Amino acid sequence: GESVGLHLPTLSVQEGDNSIINCAYSNSASDYFIWYKQESGKGPQFIIDIRSNMDKRQGQRVTVLLNKTVKHLSLQIAATQPGDSAVYFCAENTGNQFYFGTGTSLTVIP
Amino acid sequence: NAGVTQTPKFQVLKTGQSMTLQCAQDMNHEYMSWYRQDPGMGLRLIHYSVGAGITDQGEVPNGYNVSRSTTEDFPLRLLSAAPSQTSVYFCASTSGWGNYEQYFGPGTRLTVT
Repeated sequence: GESVGLHLPTLSVQEGDNSIINCAYSNSASDYFIWYKQESGKGPQFIIDIRSNMDKRQGQRVTVLLNKTVKHLSLQIAATQPGDSAVYFCAENTGNQFYFGTGTSLTVIP
Repeated sequence: NAGVTQTPKFQVLKTGQSMTLQCAQDMNHEYMSWYRQDPGMGLRLIHYSVGAGITDQGEVPNGYNVSRSTTEDFPLRLLSAAPSQTSVYFCASTSGWGNYEQYFGPGTRLTVT
């Protein structure tokens, strides 16, 4: 099966600082990568995605970086806010299937 | 536009009982899927469907059945519940055709005793 893992299970940052959440994946054939945010008691919510033919994509306050050489994905959140506190998952798509990492819990300290 | 809806929100079953978890979407999405989420773990794909009449197995399909008779509905059936199926179940949909932004339902928390 696929293996998508995160380097750190928890992350605490000060409000206003930037956050970086990392993810390693194992299948070099994966062609699409996604970051999700999950708040307590809710379903995951799409944040940003990136195709395998790109190495960087920016959204509103978020940037995803893809390094295919080392099979590494990261999510950068600029000026982190209390509302960003949640669990963040990376996922990879291979064919019609999505494989999720175990998640990183982000806590924003006011 | 309700998005993806799931019922029930909570369910307790005894070992050996069967039940169906309901999932519906009103976005005319072709691709629908079921995941389970266990504590400290990511989501694992159970079954998915790329359109009405078409279903396929994901990572952890054993003990579950699905069908897709309409575009809108994608029920998940537990044939004979086991304690190992205690989990939170999420249904998701996406339009497919190169669009991978999945919309998730609110989840069903299932406990099997």
